[in-house]
Amino acid sequence: DAGVIQSPRHEVTEMGQEVTLRCKPISGHDYLFWYRQTMMRGLELLIYFNNNVPIDDSGMPEDRFSAKMPNASFSTLKIQPSEPRDSAVYFCASRKTGQSYEQYFGPGTRLTVT
Amino acid sequence: SQQGEEDPQALSIQEGENATMNCSYKTSINNLQWYRQNSGRGLVHLILIRSNEREKHSGRLRVTLDTSKKSSSLLITASRAADTASYFCAKNSGAGSYQLTFGKGTKLSVIP
Repeated sequence: DAGVIQSPRHEVTEMGQEVTLRCKPISGHDYLFWYRQTMMRGLELLIYFNNNVPIDDSGMPEDRFSAKMPNASFSTLKIQPSEPRDSAVYFCASRKTGQSYEQYFGPGTRLTVT
Repeated sequence: SQQGEEDPQALSIQEGENATMNCSYKTSINNLQWYRQNSGRGLVHLILIRSNEREKHSGRLRVTLDTSKKSSSLLITASRAADTASYFCAKNSGAGSYQLTFGKGTKLSVIP
């Protein structure tokens, strides 16, 4: 089975531009998590969904960030407008109800905002 | 605030030696998990230990949990160069939540 798929793998953009990160969870998984990883703050949970419904978005840093999950196989994380401090690696992870608590991570998107 | 703080921040050992990493947390947990992250890659789940367990093994990995001290340790025995990676502990508080709170990790270097 394919693992969690994220695109793009690398994104370089200028400050003020809109950025959209994409994630395809593992088929059959009903939880999807978005994380951000930086050297300073480590790995932070931004938002997570269950059955396509956002459950907790308290980690979303500000209104510039938004996330959607229109169906069970696709989610987006959008930053508009982007700022240099948004530069980080963004990970998507998924898990399946009834299985262990472990999460399966994608390869990440490295975002650089200049 | 960060839960699951690891120490040391970095560890360098020779191949064949054992590597021990520690993790402390602040509030009660349902389970604690360890993940590995190779450079430039996503995290990979290694092992989970529940709050009512004291020790678990998986291959060359041994995890202990001391809930009275709110701490856990990950031991990698007979380390290999391929074990070079960052290791993170992640806390799940349970209560119907599947959220994980990660520490900042221990960067392990195994020298051939």
